[in-house]
Formats: sequence, structure tokens, C-alpha cells
Amino acid sequence: SQTIHQWPATLVQPVGSPLSLECTVEGTSNPNLYWYRQAAGRGLQLLFYSVGIGQISSEVPQNLSASRPQDRQFILSSKKLLLSDSGFYLCASFRGSDGYTFGSGTRLTVV
Amino acid sequence: AQKVTQAQTEISVVEKEDVTLDCVYETRDTTYYLFWYKQPPSGELVFLIRRNSFDEQNEISGRYSWNFQKSTSSFNFTITASQVVDSAVYFCALSDILSSGSARQLTFGSGTQLTVLP
Repeated sequence: SQTIHQWPATLVQPVGSPLSLECTVEGTSNPNLYWYRQAAGRGLQLLFYSVGIGQISSEVPQNLSASRPQDRQFILSSKKLLLSDSGFYLCASFRGSDGYTFGSGTRLTVV
Repeated sequence: AQKVTQAQTEISVVEKEDVTLDCVYETRDTTYYLFWYKQPPSGELVFLIRRNSFDEQNEISGRYSWNFQKSTSSFNFTITASQVVDSAVYFCALSDILSSGSARQLTFGSGTQLTVLP
């Protein structure tokens, strides 16, 4: 079964600073990978998804970008954080009969 | 476009009561997956169930049961004899199914905060 490692668990960053959140997947190969954000209102919003190395689709225009340098690595980045980037970020993986697996999340607070 | 509606933003029940969480979805796909997830205060998403659109058989797992009605595009979740530990946010979600058996994205409802009082 799939396991997702996501770090850090919590992060406090000043406005204007860069961001890099990393997600790695174990126990599967060639998964679809996703970044979701959960703002204070509880809803989960899809930010990016990737069906393969170097293939990134963006669902929502924003201050963030994603990259997939390796099959089981998915990175969420920003060059300059905004206050509105605060939220709970979840990485997810989908692979056939394993279904979706979510990481434990990163709680980002931009101050 | 896909859409999932969870009209109940917050529900509060007393322990041992039964509670049903509603979920209504919209999709143009003929085949899709439906999910329920639990999100405790710690934040992680706990998988509860996945349903294929062509399988309308209701499912029971312990105190949990799910009622899938394709005719009304609903996938409701019932907790029987609720417990304090059931307190969490519950998300219903919908995913397309690609020809490869994979899925493009998971569309979540806005969630229902369930509070079970002792």
C-alpha cells in the first residue's frame, strides 16, 4: 500500500519569504500526485495535479507552483508568500486499486 | 464540471444518537468514484469508503453505513449509536475514472462538522 511522507508538519513564514513543501510517496510507482489546500473555511481545494514526471496541471491561478522532479516526489513552491497562502496543505497520491492516499499535511501560517 | 454539496455545515448530537450526513453530487461522467473521509482535529484525512458509480449496493461497516442513490445523485453517510470519538469534520468527495482506471482529481464537498456530546 502507498505511504506519503510530507514535511514539515507546521511552518511559520514571513510575508515575502519563499516556500518549499516536499512530498514523497512509497509503496507505489507512477502514481498521480496532488496538492490540496484547506483554508480556514474547511473546504479542500485542488491546487495542482501531476500524472508523471515534469507534468503539472494547475487548477487555480495563484502565487504557488509545483514540480515533480522524480516519479515519487512532488514539491510545492512559492517565491514570495502572501498572507492568503496560509492554510493546511495536503499531498495526495492516487494509484489504481490503492485509491487515494493522503499525507499528514503541513500547516502553514504566513505572518 | 464536478460538484459535491454537503448542505449541513455543522451537526451536533448527543452520544448514542444516530446521525446522517448528506452528500449530493453533480457530474457528467457516467463512471466515477465516491468517497467519504474523516478529518479529526489533528488534520489528517482518514479514508472511510470508496464506491464505484456502477455499484449501488449499500454498505455497512460496524456503526457506519452508506446509502448510494444514483437516481438522486446522493451518497449519504449514517453513523449509528454515535460516540464522542466520532466528532470530526466529514468530507464527501467525487472522482472521475479515466479509461486507464486512474483518476484525474478528487472534488471535495465543503465538509460537515460533527460534534458528538457526551
